[in-house]
Amino acid sequence: GEDVEQSLFLSVREGDSSVINCTYTDSSSTYLYWYKQEPGAGLQLLTYIFSNMDMKQDQRLTVLLNKKDKHLSLRIADTQTGDSAIYFCAELGGKSNDMRFGAGTRLTVKP
Amino acid sequence: EAQVTQNPRYLITVTGKKLTVTCSQNMNHEYMSWYRQDPGLGLRQIYYSMNVEVTDKGDVPEGYKVSRKEKRNFPLILESPSPNQTSLYFCASSLAGVLGSYEQYFGPGTRLTVT
Repeated sequence: GEDVEQSLFLSVREGDSSVINCTYTDSSSTYLYWYKQEPGAGLQLLTYIFSNMDMKQDQRLTVLLNKKDKHLSLRIADTQTGDSAIYFCAELGGKSNDMRFGAGTRLTVKP
Repeated sequence: EAQVTQNPRYLITVTGKKLTVTCSQNMNHEYMSWYRQDPGLGLRQIYYSMNVEVTDKGDVPEGYKVSRKEKRNFPLILESPSPNQTSLYFCASSLAGVLGSYEQYFGPGTRLTVT
C-alpha cells in the first residue's frame, strides 16, 4: 500500500524555527494536511494544502509542497513551548478518498 | 457547539464479547471515519463513509464493522474483540465532495483494552 513517512522526533530551542518533513507516495493525492496532537487529546487540524499549490502561509505556519518529489514540509516560525506536541501529516487519496497518516513527529521545544 | 462525540471514552473488555463504540457529529458532515492509533504507527484508517449507506474499507478493516444509517452517527462494532484490538480509537468527520476539503474534526478518543 501507499505509505506516508515522517521522522519520529525533532527538538528545537524556543524562538527557533522548526521544520517537520513528510514524504508520501500517492501522486494522485488531492489534499495534504498537518494535524497537531497534544498529550491526551484528539487531533486538531493545523493547515492543509491543495495539491496544485506549492506553498501556503498561515501566520507562523508555512507549508511547502514539492509534488515532483512527493515531499511536504511544515515550518513553524518562532517556535514556543506550547508548540510541543506530535505533528501528523496526512494525505487524501486521489482515487478512493481514503485518508493516510504518517506515524507522527514528536516536537520538543526547549526553553 | 460543533463537535464529534464518542462513547465510551474508556472501555476494558474480554476477548470475544461484542462491543460498540458510538460516534456522533452535529455538523451535517458527509464524510465520517474511524482510526486506530498505536505507538510508532500513527493513525490507521479502519473504515470510512462518504455518506449515508455508503461505507468503504480503510487500511485495517479486519475485525471491525461499521454502519451509516443516519448522517450524524457512525458506530464502530467489534463482533468478537481480540487483544490485538487494544488501541486508542478516534472518530472523525468532515465536509466532502466539491464543497469540502475533507478537513477532519476529531472526537476525543476511546481507549479500548481487550484482555
